[in-house]
Amino acid sequence: KQEVTQIPAALSVPEGENLVLNCSFTDSAIYNLQWFRQDPGKGLTSLLLIQSSQREQTSGRLNASLDKSSGRSTLYIAASQPGDSATYLCAVRPPDSNSGYALNFGKGTSLLVTP
Amino acid sequence: SAVISQKPSRDICQRGTSLTIQCQVDSQVTMMFWYRQQPGQSLTLIATANQGSEATYESGFVIDKFPISRPNLTFSTLTVSNMSPEDSSIYLCSALTGGATEAFFGQGTRLTVV
Repeated sequence: KQEVTQIPAALSVPEGENLVLNCSFTDSAIYNLQWFRQDPGKGLTSLLLIQSSQREQTSGRLNASLDKSSGRSTLYIAASQPGDSATYLCAVRPPDSNSGYALNFGKGTSLLVTP
Repeated sequence: SAVISQKPSRDICQRGTSLTIQCQVDSQVTMMFWYRQQPGQSLTLIATANQGSEATYESGFVIDKFPISRPNLTFSTLTVSNMSPEDSSIYLCSALTGGATEAFFGQGTRLTVV
């Protein structure tokens, strides 16, 4: 069974710092990997999607990388802002229809950016 | 992309009652899912909502407790039946768009059972 782990569980940084969130998964056979943001008590907002054949994706101050063979992904946030404070979730999708299409989630990294 | 509207956004319910959560997508989608997020935990898949047929449930979830409907390609409901305080969670609807690549989520329903 796919296990997704996110480190650290919580992170507090001063505004302006660059930071890295880590995600690892036990089964390298994945279809894609998504990073989400979740504000307290709310739903999930998709940040970046990386297909299994890709190495990285960028959106604004966010950059996500994928090393499928080692079962790792990182989310890099540049020049962090207080508005970035949220929980960041990593999720992987199984490789094919036989395994289903639903995502396997990590427990998330709770990020606090202080002014 | 897809915009998913979920309602209610939150509710406080008495134990023993049932609540139906609605999920509306602004475009036709290939697949829809229901997840549960218990306090302090990550998301757990409840079931895949199949259009025009019975939902496919994950281990630990049963139809009598969580009946699901999906009458068309844009709408689904999840009912939480005979609720107990242990059902207090955030329930989230998700959809896969064309090409079944990127997953989108509704804003969630925060359920508290007292």
